[in-house]
Amino acid sequence: GNSVTQMEGPVTLSEEAFLTINCTYTATGYPSLFWYVQYPGEGLQLLLKATKADDKGSNKGFEATYRKETTSFHLEKGSVQVSDSAVYFCALSGRLTGGGNKLTFGTGTQLKVEL
Amino acid sequence: GAVVSQHPSRVICKSGTSVKIECRSLDFQATTMFWYRQFPKQSLMLMATSNEGSKATYEQGVEKDKFLINHASLTLSTLTVTSAHPEDSSFYICSASAGVGYTFGSGTRLTVV
Repeated sequence: GNSVTQMEGPVTLSEEAFLTINCTYTATGYPSLFWYVQYPGEGLQLLLKATKADDKGSNKGFEATYRKETTSFHLEKGSVQVSDSAVYFCALSGRLTGGGNKLTFGTGTQLKVEL
Repeated sequence: GAVVSQHPSRVICKSGTSVKIECRSLDFQATTMFWYRQFPKQSLMLMATSNEGSKATYEQGVEKDKFLINHASLTLSTLTVTSAHPEDSSFYICSASAGVGYTFGSGTRLTVV
C-alpha cells in the first residue's frame, strides 16, 4: 500500500536558518504529493503540492520538488521565521478502492523557530 | 478559495453520551468528505470516506456503529460519536473534496469525561 515517511521532530532552528524536512514515499502509479501545515489548535492548510515528476511546488518561501527517481519530496525554506513554527505533514494522494482519491499522511514534523 | 466550516471547535461531554460534529463546505459542492482522527503528536488517521447520498466507507479497525457518518447533501457531512468513552477523546478533522484538491476543516477537540 501507499506510505509516507518523514523525519521525526521536533526540529528547532534559529530565525533565518535554512530548513529541510525530508519526506520519502512508497506508492503505486503516479501519486500527487503535498505538504500541509498545521498551526497549534487548528486544522490543516495546504502549503504546496506537485502533481508529476520534476514538478516544483512553492508557496510562502517554501519549496519542494517531486523526485520520482528517489521517491522524495523534501520541504525546504531558505530563511525561516518564528511564524513558521508549526507541524508540517507530507502527504500523497492515492486511489480509493471504490474510486476517488484519499490522502496518506506522514507522521508530521514539528518545527520550532526561535529568535 | 474553498472553505470548509467544522463545528463545534471544542466539546466536552460525559461518558455514555453522543456527540455530533458537523462539516460544511461553504462555497463548493463536496462530492466526497473524509473524516480523520489525530492523536497527540501523531499523524492523521483516516477514519472513513463518504460520498453524498451513499453509505460511508470505513477504514479497517474503525467501528462503524460507534462513529456514525452521514453525508446527506453535497455541502454537509456529520460525524456522530455514539456512547462516547474517555478513549474517544481526540482531535477530529474533516476534509472535503470536489474531485480535485482537499480542503480541511479547523478540527474539533473532543474531550470525554
